[in-house]
Amino acid sequence: DAGVIQSPRHEVTEMGQEVTLRCKPISGHNSLFWYRQTMMRGLELLIYFNNNVPIDDSGMPEDRFSAKMPNASFSTLKIQPSEPRDSAVYFCASSWDTSIQYFGPGTRLLVL
Amino acid sequence: AQTVTQSQPEMSVQEAETVTLSCTYDTSENNYYLFWYKQPPSRQMILVIRQEAYKQQNATENRFSVNFQKAAKSFSLKISDSQLGDTAMYFCAFMKINTGTASKLTFGTGTRLQVTL
Repeated sequence: DAGVIQSPRHEVTEMGQEVTLRCKPISGHNSLFWYRQTMMRGLELLIYFNNNVPIDDSGMPEDRFSAKMPNASFSTLKIQPSEPRDSAVYFCASSWDTSIQYFGPGTRLLVL
Repeated sequence: AQTVTQSQPEMSVQEAETVTLSCTYDTSENNYYLFWYKQPPSRQMILVIRQEAYKQQNATENRFSVNFQKAAKSFSLKISDSQLGDTAMYFCAFMKINTGTASKLTFGTGTRLQVTL
């Protein structure tokens, strides 16, 4: 079975550009999470969805960040405009029950 | 709000030896899960072990076991017969149990484990 798929794996962009990160959860999973990992703040939740509905977006840093889940098999995290402080590894995770979350390989974002 | 504390930034162990990683947490919740995740240099987050708070028995997965002390809010990970492939960052994580819906993971800051020959 395929795990959580994220694209791109690496992204280098210039400050001010729009960045879109993509995630395909494991088939059959009904919850999807976006986490960010930085040296300064560690691993932190940005937003999560249950049955395609955003449940908790309190971790979204500011209005420059937005996330969508148009269907059960796809989600996007968009940053517009991007800033150097957004440089991080962004993980997508999915789960079926209320317990185990399976993580994708992450997207390493570098904003110059 | 929940907090998870890992007080050992780095640890080292020789191959075939046993090592214990510490984790404490703070919560007012009664029903929750605790996890250890492993992050090797590839950055992939890999579930090592899970503990349900309502279970008194400590979870075990092959060479990995936990010492769960609910009253003390302590959740340590023991790795027996350490192998070079165990070299990684280890994260302790907390998750509140919501009835019927998912819940977020709250992570500690991690412990970097180096297994040496």
